[in-house]
This record gives sequence, C-alpha cells and structure tokens, in this order.
Amino acid sequence: AQKVTQAQTEISVVEKEDVTLDCVYETRDTTYYLFWYKQPPSGELVFLIRRNSFDEQNEISGRYSWNFQKSTSSFNFTITASQVVDSAVYFCALNPYSGGYQKVTFGIGTKLQVIP
Amino acid sequence: NAGVTQTPKFRVLKTGQSMTLLCAQDMNHEYMYWYRQDPGMGLRLIHYSVGEGTTAKGEVPDGYNVSRLKKQNFLLGLESAAPSQTSVYFCASSPRTSGANTGELFFGEGSRLTVL
Repeated sequence: AQKVTQAQTEISVVEKEDVTLDCVYETRDTTYYLFWYKQPPSGELVFLIRRNSFDEQNEISGRYSWNFQKSTSSFNFTITASQVVDSAVYFCALNPYSGGYQKVTFGIGTKLQVIP
Repeated sequence: NAGVTQTPKFRVLKTGQSMTLLCAQDMNHEYMYWYRQDPGMGLRLIHYSVGEGTTAKGEVPDGYNVSRLKKQNFLLGLESAAPSQTSVYFCASSPRTSGANTGELFFGEGSRLTVL
C-alpha cells in the first residue's frame, strides 16, 4: 500500500516570506513518480511538477523549488518570496511506475494563505 | 482548448434523488477517473476507466455507478443520493503511456454537489 502524508494542514505567511510545504511518502515500489498539484480558490487542480524516483536532482522553476530526498522519502516544495497569488491548497501525490492506469495516491493537502 | 469539461458545475439534490455528472475530454485520452474531494480527506478515487466500454471500482465506489460508452465521455451516476455524497467531484483523464507511467492527470474544474 502507498501513502502520502502532508502534515501541515494550514500555513499562513506574510507576503515575501519563504515557505516550505512538506510531503512524506510511503511505497513498496522501487520506481515511482511524485507530483505536486495546486488548487487555487477558483477550485481547479493545476499540475506543477513531476519527479521520478531515479532523479533526485532538485528542481527550480522561478520562485518554486522542489527537494526530493529518497533517503527520507520526502518531496518538499518551497516557494521563495511568496505572493498573494500563491494562496491555494497544494497536494502532493504518488504514482507507482506500473504503466497504464494511473493509480495515484494524494495527500490531504496543505492550505497556504499568503497575507499581504 | 477545452481539455476536461464537467457538467453541471453546481447541483443541489434532495435525499433519494438521482443525478448524473458528465465528464467530456477532447484530448483523446484512454484513461478517465472520477474523484471526490472532502475536507481533510484529499482526493479519493471513486471509479475509473481504462478504455471505452470498461470501468472499474476505485477506493470509494459505493453509491455510485459509471459508464464509458464513448471514449471522450465518462458519466458518474448517483441512483439515490445521500447527504454523505455531498462533496466536490473531479473528473480527470490521462493518456495511455507505453512503458513509463508518468501519471500526470488532467482535471476538470469540479462539480459541487449538495445533498439535503
């Protein structure tokens, strides 16, 4: 069985602060994909990033960065210099490398509020 | 550039009524899914389909039925709605991948259902 834990249910930061969203996962699969999705107040789910278990390189995209550490089964997401538009619920998700149907397991989400 | 479209966006039902949520995708994806999102529970898979004419149960299938008569459409039915089915429902689709399972899901905008 696989599991994704997002221990932070809600976080509030003041605009321009940095914030890290934690994600810890459990899986028996040796190969898998990890994802982050963003759900802004409008409600849609937006794909942010995919990382496969072979690639532990950190990734940076603008103000967003992701730190994947297989040794601690973590895939944390950092927003640098947060903005009000970053206010959203962020979901971490795990998918086994099994081909075909995507058996994705989602965390419960972290609600981020950026205060102006 | 429609992607995944869900109808209706909002619906209020009385206990015992029936209804159908329609999901349509124009990306020629093989796989389609229905999730429900509840506070503190994240996204949970209700049913999924790996191709036209095929459906399968997900994590929380009870009280729901689905059909995939056409590749582009995936219908979610509630035969006798219950207050416990008050939720936000998301449809998603993903392409068939050969070998690697990248797992990226493309979501609709969600349908908010209230059962009184």
